[in-house]
Amino acid sequence: AQSVTQLDSQVPVFEEAPVELRCNYSSSVSVYLFWYVQYPNQGLQLLLKYLSGSTLVKGINGFEAEFNKSQTSFHLRKPSVHISDTAEYFCAVSGYGATNKLIFGTGTLLAVQP
Amino acid sequence: DTAVSQTPKYLVTQMGNDKSIKCEQNLGHDTMYWYKQDSKKFLKIMFSYNNKELIINETVPNRFSPKSPDKAHLNLHINSLELGDSAVYFCASSQVAVSGNTIYFGEGSWLTVV
Repeated sequence: AQSVTQLDSQVPVFEEAPVELRCNYSSSVSVYLFWYVQYPNQGLQLLLKYLSGSTLVKGINGFEAEFNKSQTSFHLRKPSVHISDTAEYFCAVSGYGATNKLIFGTGTLLAVQP
Repeated sequence: DTAVSQTPKYLVTQMGNDKSIKCEQNLGHDTMYWYKQDSKKFLKIMFSYNNKELIINETVPNRFSPKSPDKAHLNLHINSLELGDSAVYFCASSQVAVSGNTIYFGEGSWLTVV
């Protein structure tokens, strides 16, 4: 079984500042890792994913994340945030195969202030 | 074109009623899901169908019954609605063994039971 921990429930940051949203996972098998974004009153949009290969993955809207197997982490970063990045961000982990579930963290609210 | 579409988007209904939420995906995926997001934004899988076969059935009250008439559709029927059923229900789909089982979500159905 897998689990995901997002330690920060809320991250306030000023516009144009860099941000890192933390995600740690637990699994006894190899996993896929994902970040999703949910804007207010909207659905979930895939930001980026790590399946294999390069540990640095780039996603939409200027976000990137780095898979660190030794630290079981998949932190999300952006060098300069905008007001429009204000949203809930969810880290998720999945094992391989159809019967493996996508397990979500509890989410981090990124609150960008002017 | 909307990849995963679900209807209705908003639903307000009284306790004890029966309601259905419909979902359709035009991505050609072989697996579909229902997720529930509670008031604290926590996301949890409810059901998963692969090629119309139920493969994941979490601990969900039997008042909830999914139905998959074909690979492109997965409907959720809820009997005898209770106040605690108020939540956002997300339909999703994926193509197992392709793109790391990446799951794509619909826009959500906001269910309020009064």
